[in-house]
Amino acid sequence: DAGVTQSPTHLIKTRGQQVTLRCSPISGHKSVSWYQQVLGQGPQFIFQYYEKEERGRGNFPDRFSARQFPNYSSELNVNALLLGDSALYLCASSLAPQGGSGGSSYNEQFFGPGTRLTVL
Amino acid sequence: AQSVSQHNHHVILSEAASLELGCNYSYGGTVNLFWYVQYPGQHLQLLLKYFSGDPLVKGIKGFEAEFIKSKFSFNLRKPSVQWSDTAEYFCAVKGFKTIFGAGTRLFVKA
Repeated sequence: DAGVTQSPTHLIKTRGQQVTLRCSPISGHKSVSWYQQVLGQGPQFIFQYYEKEERGRGNFPDRFSARQFPNYSSELNVNALLLGDSALYLCASSLAPQGGSGGSSYNEQFFGPGTRLTVL
Repeated sequence: AQSVSQHNHHVILSEAASLELGCNYSYGGTVNLFWYVQYPGQHLQLLLKYFSGDPLVKGIKGFEAEFIKSKFSFNLRKPSVQWSDTAEYFCAVKGFKTIFGAGTRLFVKA
């Protein structure tokens, strides 16, 4: 089975531009989460989607938006890019959403390779 | 608020040395705890996880971690590291959402 896939692998944009990143979850997984990993830091939670609905949002400005499609793939959009948006953007999929206490294999996350975004 | 703190940003060890990476978290409710590893050029992989039960958790590649509730800690250990363990290690806590620590870069000298 294929793992989580993300496209593109690398992307270079200039300040003010807009970018769309794509993620395909593991087959059968209905939840997708997006994370931003700035160099030297751990991943920071941006969004979680489950069954095409937003289930959680991190502390990111409204320039960041996302959506999930009927086939459970997802897109992350970032408008009006800033230099500080340069980072590795990670997508993770799971069978069930992350919210709430209690854990099981159903909400274990599997990460994709990421998209490296450079803003010049 | 949820938070995760990893004590060491960089660790250098010789092969066969023992490893312990510290992780402390802050969260008022029931948590699930994870350690992830990111090998050079590869994506994040799950090393081990704690949901409930035995606080000593064994993961892949000889790693283990101990959940100490009273200390809000979930330290990662390995008795004898190998050169192939060179990687970045992230502690993560799932309460309402998953929060990652800043990571620890481990370099193992051959």
